Amino acid sequence: DSGVTQTPKHLITATGQRVTLRCSPRSGDLSVYWYQQSLDQGLQFLIQYYNGEERAKGNILERFSAQQFPDLHSELNLSSLELGDSALYFCASSLGGGNQETQYFGPGTRLLVL
Amino acid sequence: GENVEQHPSTLSVQEGDSAVIKCTYSDSASNYFPWYKQELGKGPQLIIDIRSNVGEKKDQRIAVTLNKTAKHFSLHITETQPEDSAVYFCAASSRSNYQLIWGAGTKLIIKP
Repeated sequence: DSGVTQTPKHLITATGQRVTLRCSPRSGDLSVYWYQQSLDQGLQFLIQYYNGEERAKGNILERFSAQQFPDLHSELNLSSLELGDSALYFCASSLGGGNQETQYFGPGTRLLVL
Repeated sequence: GENVEQHPSTLSVQEGDSAVIKCTYSDSASNYFPWYKQELGKGPQLIIDIRSNVGEKKDQRIAVTLNKTAKHFSLHITETQPEDSAVYFCAASSRSNYQLIWGAGTKLIIKP
């Protein structure tokens, strides 16, 4: 158990809908990262927050947005969902904001868009 | 920007044999190279990392080697066991950018 929690574990929705994925980092970690992993694909980095502020941005679509709250939990919002958004979404956390720290991954949220 | 290529995409080895996964990177300023293991149904987990000031690092049956001149690094697993079956990701970063750049992953299959 990494100490990172993600809810929900599974999510089934329809095209055009909007969903929110939630992540609670390990106790004491200030950074949260979001990744997308499609079937048989690698990890696509979406975005990183550090202590409430956006730190780094990857290949995140404009339809997607994220935020980190004062209690350090984070939410990833996916809107106008398309079939191709079906994937595993991972959250990870690390102690600091640097890119050379160990990232601790949660169990993921599996999103299925029908 | 930085690019990390990982090979092979799938590797099948007999239990007890060794496995080697290779990654190459493009940014000569990269100085941190972690390896993550993703077991089925779980998130990735760091198994070993190396920094550019060393050429090799070992932890029991796993080792990572780094060749800065050729800009490649490799993961070596000896005496493979069934629990080594997983997807392995390499990554690289430098202090000049904020992102950890990931390889595409290698699915390691250990045949009994």
